Amino acid sequence: DAGITQSPRHKVTETGTPVTLRCHQTENHRYMYWYRQDPGHGLRLIHYSYGVKDTDKGEVSDGYSVSRSKTEDFLLTLESATSSQTSVYFCAITPGLNQPQHFGDGTRLSIL
Amino acid sequence: AQTVTQSQPEMSVQEAETVTLSCTYDTSENNYYLFWYKQPPSRQMILVIRQEAYKQQNATENRFSVNFQKAAKSFSLKISDSQLGDTAMYFCAFMKLKSTGNQFYFGTGTSLTVIP
Repeated sequence: DAGITQSPRHKVTETGTPVTLRCHQTENHRYMYWYRQDPGHGLRLIHYSYGVKDTDKGEVSDGYSVSRSKTEDFLLTLESATSSQTSVYFCAITPGLNQPQHFGDGTRLSIL
Repeated sequence: AQTVTQSQPEMSVQEAETVTLSCTYDTSENNYYLFWYKQPPSRQMILVIRQEAYKQQNATENRFSVNFQKAAKSFSLKISDSQLGDTAMYFCAFMKLKSTGNQFYFGTGTSLTVIP
């Protein structure tokens, strides 16, 4: 158990509203990631963080922002949600370099 | 950029039989890691097996083993004595080493069904 908690687990919201997803870890790991999972695309990296206030973009970062003000929390924000952002979102951590990723249980987000 | 290709969207296997899932990747890196993850209907992502590119010996974890062909950039997963609990989506993943945080690239997945 890598001690990763995602909240909420499910959310339904309307187009144009802001949405924030939270990833919380208990193990004090440095590296944290946000992915989205869509049929036919596997997992695609949105943003990742390599330390407090240190973040970088992934391959599908448009429309998303992130923040990491403390080690244990990594927030993903959709400033103005669109229907194309309906997806399952996974948070992941890497315990260290040369280590595999460990994933949270995912958040199913539906934007109507 | 790294790409990971899983050319088999769906596969099925009889219980107790052996099945092989294929994965190819494209990279100019010499040192990297490869992984197989399993995602059952519960949606959890579970690490199945890992392989370091600098190791020639193929990794094995109980009924799971890989055939790693570095020159061919191929990384297939063999599941022996298939069990009903192996029914899941399987993702191949490539890890590029980077000082600011390793980058992971995933294939599109293979949906495996084990038939009783």
